[in-house]
Amino acid sequence: DAKTTQPNSMESNEEEPVHLPCNHSTISETDYIHWYRQLPSQGPEYVIHGLTSNVNNRMASLAIAEDRKSSTLILHRATLRDAAVYYCILSPIAYSGAGSYQLTFGKGTKLSVIP
Amino acid sequence: DGGITQSPKYLFRKEGQNVTLSCEQNLNHDAMYWYRQDPGQGLRLIYYSQIVNDFQKGDIAEGYSVSREKKESFPLTVTSAQKNPTAFYLCASSISAQPQHFGDGTRLSIL
Repeated sequence: DAKTTQPNSMESNEEEPVHLPCNHSTISETDYIHWYRQLPSQGPEYVIHGLTSNVNNRMASLAIAEDRKSSTLILHRATLRDAAVYYCILSPIAYSGAGSYQLTFGKGTKLSVIP
Repeated sequence: DGGITQSPKYLFRKEGQNVTLSCEQNLNHDAMYWYRQDPGQGLRLIYYSQIVNDFQKGDIAEGYSVSREKKESFPLTVTSAQKNPTAFYLCASSISAQPQHFGDGTRLSIL
């Protein structure tokens, strides 16, 4: 399975931008890059995903390196509600056999937002 | 609103007892998943199902069983063979390889 590497924790001041890095040097050309976040005692919440080009949605932006070996999740203005564990995960584009739908969650990055 | 409903929110198991966690979705998703999360850890896959009447073992299936008789439902049974069942259990669903939608989880403890 392709793996990702994220810092264990990060801090940000409220209302400032946050850049959460993720390394995935063994990514396959058929892998999407997914980001989820998890608040305490809740299930993970989908944030954003992309393949090659940078992506924007109402929650965040995803910047993908040209060689696809790293990516950065960008929260444009951190709020207290953004304090969570953020997971960067690789997922195949399409079903290719048993097990291919599995998401491998590491420990993620715990983001703290300082008022 | 469409979503995934897990019940109960909290569950207690006695020694030697089997317990079943419920997961229902009204998103019309084909694929469903069960994960286990221990404190301070990421999620680990227990079982997943891509279509009705079919399911596969994940990384930590020992001591667990599932069924998929209906598209909307994917219950998980924690059997007495699972010696360390205390954890946070999460159910998810998706359309094939699209992003997964998660429920709010069931927290299982041992009496």
